[in-house]
Amino acid sequence: EVHVVESGGGLVQPGGSLRLSCGATGFTFNTFWMTWVRQAPGKGLEWVASINQDGSEISYMYSVKGRFTISRDNARRSLSLQMRSLRAEDTAVYFCARGSEMSFAIAFDLWGPGTMVTVSS
Amino acid sequence: IVMTQSPLSLPVTPGEPASISCRSSQSLLHSNEYNYLAWYLQKPGQSPQLLIYLASNRASGVPDRFSGSGSGTDFTLKISKVEAADVGVYYCMHTVQTPYSFGQGTKLEIK
Repeated sequence: EVHVVESGGGLVQPGGSLRLSCGATGFTFNTFWMTWVRQAPGKGLEWVASINQDGSEISYMYSVKGRFTISRDNARRSLSLQMRSLRAEDTAVYFCARGSEMSFAIAFDLWGPGTMVTVSS
Repeated sequence: IVMTQSPLSLPVTPGEPASISCRSSQSLLHSNEYNYLAWYLQKPGQSPQLLIYLASNRASGVPDRFSGSGSGTDFTLKISKVEAADVGVYYCMHTVQTPYSFGQGTKLEIK
C-alpha cells in the first residue's frame, strides 16, 4: 500500500525545538519531490517547505526560513523537518505530502494523516 | 503570489452544478506553457486530497464530475452535479515559483 505517515509532533515551549519525521512506503521514494504543509487550528492550508529528489533544491516559506530545516534520507525512505526557535504561531497540524517525479514539484498527490505541533508555555 | 478564491462559502443543492473561482496576483503560466495551479479538497476530519493539477488535469481516481479550467491568473473548478460526498473545503494552490501558496479555501455545503 502506498502511504506516508508523519511522527514527532507534540507540545513544546516557545523557543524550543522539535523534529518531525515522515516515513514513506509503497513507492520509489527517491524519485519524488516531498513537501511539508501545515494547518493551524481552524485555519487554511499553508505551504512550509519542499525538497527535490536528491535534496539539491530546497525552499521555505518566509516565516520559517532560518528556523526550519527540511531534509531527506532516501536510503531510509524518510523526510524530516527540524524546527527551531518555535513560536506560538507555528502551532498547527503538519502534513507530509508527495510531489511529482518531474523537475518541478507540480502538485501533491499523497498526504499523510498529519502530526500536531503545539507551541505553548 | 496571492491566491484569492471566491466564494468562500458555497451552499449547493445535490444534483446541481457548482463553480469556484481562483485568481492569482501573478501569472501561473510557466515558460513550458503549463499553468502551475492545483485544486485540493479537504473533507471534514481528513487530510487534503488532490483533485486537479496543471489547471485542468484530473488526478487519479477523481470522478469526471470535477473539471478545472483557466490560464494565466484566472482559474475555475467546476463540479457538474454535486453529491453529498463532495462536502468539504476546496483549496487552489500554485507551484509556479516559491514560496508556493494556497487560496483561503471555499467551504462547500449541501443545502
